[in-house]
Amino acid sequence: KAGVTQTPRYLIKTRGQQVTLSCSPISGHRSVSWYQQTPGQGLQFLFEYFSETQRNKGNFPGRFSGRQFSNSRSEMNVSTLELGDSALYLCASRSSGLQETQYFGPGTRLLVL
Amino acid sequence: AQKITQTQPGMFVQEKEAVTLDCTYDTSDPSYGLFWYKQPSSGEMIFLIYQGSYDQQNATEGRYSLNFQKARKSANLVISASQLGDSAMYFCAMRDHYTGANSKLTFGKGITLSVRP
Repeated sequence: KAGVTQTPRYLIKTRGQQVTLSCSPISGHRSVSWYQQTPGQGLQFLFEYFSETQRNKGNFPGRFSGRQFSNSRSEMNVSTLELGDSALYLCASRSSGLQETQYFGPGTRLLVL
Repeated sequence: AQKITQTQPGMFVQEKEAVTLDCTYDTSDPSYGLFWYKQPSSGEMIFLIYQGSYDQQNATEGRYSLNFQKARKSANLVISASQLGDSAMYFCAMRDHYTGANSKLTFGKGITLSVRP
């Protein structure tokens, strides 16, 4: 089975721009979660989508949004980029069931100049 | 609120020796899952091992084992026979089961492990 894939792997943007990141989960996984990793704040949960619905949301401003398509692929969007948005964005997918593990993709490294 | 604490700033181990990475957690939920992930410099989070709060036995996965002490709220990772490729950042994480199928993981700050040849 192919793992979680994320595109692009690297991205450079300037302040004020917007960006869209993509995540394709493991085949059969319907849950997709997004995390932001920075040296200062560590790993923080952004949101989770399941069957095209946002099921849970972390404590991030409204500039961060996401969606999930019928094939379970997910995108996250950050509008009006700020320098502090520079981070590694990780996507994870999970099958159903309480004890199912989340598997992560390789991440997208975003640099905001 | 859930909290994961990893206080070891950095660990060094000689190749082929065993090492223990500490993790303590705090939660008021009776049902939860504990995870360990490895993150090499490439950035990808690699799943290592899972322990459920009601599991009677400590989890093991190859060279990885989890020393789960529920009363102490600790879930230490033990890596046996360390290899140079084990050099990475290691994260302990928790997911509560109380909210049903919620996938949110709460992570600790991580521990850097360096394996010396």
